[in-house]
Amino acid sequence: QSALTQPASVSGSPGQSITISCTGTSSDVGGYNYVSWYQQYPGKAPKLMIYDVSNRPSGVSSRFSGSKSGNTASLTISGLQAEDEADYYCSSYTSSSTGVFGGGTKLTVL
Amino acid sequence: EVQLVESGGGLVQSGGSLRLSCAASGFSFSTSWMHWVRQAPGKGLVWLSRIDSDGISTSYADSVKGRFTISRDNARNTLYLLMNSLRAEDTAVYYCARDGHNYSFDYWGQGTLVTVSS
Repeated sequence: QSALTQPASVSGSPGQSITISCTGTSSDVGGYNYVSWYQQYPGKAPKLMIYDVSNRPSGVSSRFSGSKSGNTASLTISGLQAEDEADYYCSSYTSSSTGVFGGGTKLTVL
Repeated sequence: EVQLVESGGGLVQSGGSLRLSCAASGFSFSTSWMHWVRQAPGKGLVWLSRIDSDGISTSYADSVKGRFTISRDNARNTLYLLMNSLRAEDTAVYYCARDGHNYSFDYWGQGTLVTVSS
């Protein structure tokens, strides 16, 4: 149950697009279309942004999109806004019927 | 409105036990799978455990297997996490979360802080 691998930090300017990667194995990310993404502000509970690789819950901006290729999933945020500055986590179902998170990525809007 | 409210956190000595509760409202608790997730101070999210809607099937992260027990009372709309043999590294904010789709967590509580002193 090793954590999924995410970059520690990414940054971008307002209006730009950024992509956060999430790398696992064939036993988690690569084996199932059950990857989800969360946004978390300091001191707050996480918020679901993407589920089942590329689906957005009701109310989540269309600027957020998800995809997957092999063992790596990605979250793309387009039209970056100051309010997007937060920590982002990926998560996946695993072949052991457990869940696993990535280590988290801190997004800085320059 | 969906609400998940955790309680039961606090300060406990190493080797001690604690039971967390998560009171659910605003959705059909009895048909929902539920999870516990924790976050150590300044660290990332860690998945801990899952229970199915009937309370029959459970799963655990290796780090807590054999020490933590997840359970639920559908009549009381409440999820529990019994934590035994607590260690300093169990110090964290503990969140309960609802399974929306396939181990995605669509609703979260506000978290309850557990501090294990050595």
